[in-house]
Amino acid sequence: QVQLVQSGAEVKKPGASVKVSCKASGYTFTGYYLHWVRQAPGQGLEWMGWINPNSGVTLYAQKFQGRVTMTRDTSVSTAYMEVSTLTSDDTAVYYCARSGLQPLAHWGQGTLVTVSS
Amino acid sequence: QSALTQPPSASGSPGQSVTMSCTGTNGDIGDDVHVAWYQHHPGKAPKLVIYEVTRRPSGVPNRFSGSKSGNTASLTVSGLQAEDEADYYCSSYGGVNTVGVLFGGGTKLTVL
Repeated sequence: QVQLVQSGAEVKKPGASVKVSCKASGYTFTGYYLHWVRQAPGQGLEWMGWINPNSGVTLYAQKFQGRVTMTRDTSVSTAYMEVSTLTSDDTAVYYCARSGLQPLAHWGQGTLVTVSS
Repeated sequence: QSALTQPPSASGSPGQSVTMSCTGTNGDIGDDVHVAWYQHHPGKAPKLVIYEVTRRPSGVPNRFSGSKSGNTASLTVSGLQAEDEADYYCSSYGGVNTVGVLFGGGTKLTVL
């Protein structure tokens, strides 16, 4: 079965960077786009971007361009999402999710990133 | 691009039906068939319950149904059950004016 397992919770100081991983199993990693979605406390879902694991091509939401980098390592079927220059507004649960014939049908368990001085 | 507009709350008693709306524009919901709905229980990962406006993934009860008229999509939950209480998010993707995925602000469904 399709599984997306994310890395554990992180606590970072303002101005630092954080890198979250998403390890895929149960399907061909390079066959499906992986998206990143976040949810800040008390807020709704916010789409951040996607990566094509086959080509490495990415598409970022305009809000995150220049501050978010999505990469992948096909040898370990893992996608990564790095956010730089963190502020308290980046405190959120970050999810990876797979799209295919159905949109975002499979989700990781979420990674809480807390930005605090 | 702006987020899709959803009412913040909806409610119904067990066994009743509730319909939640999601309003977009001609550049997203209005001219695009790729509308999806997600159910999100706090502390858990979101779950896809409707895609391509009306289609249900396998395993989703047929109590969940979707529709669209003009720039507004709707999700109806029939025969409400306690476990249906959750946040529901609409989403649009692939539209002419949509870069990537667009989410609504979410509707909190309360089962009274």
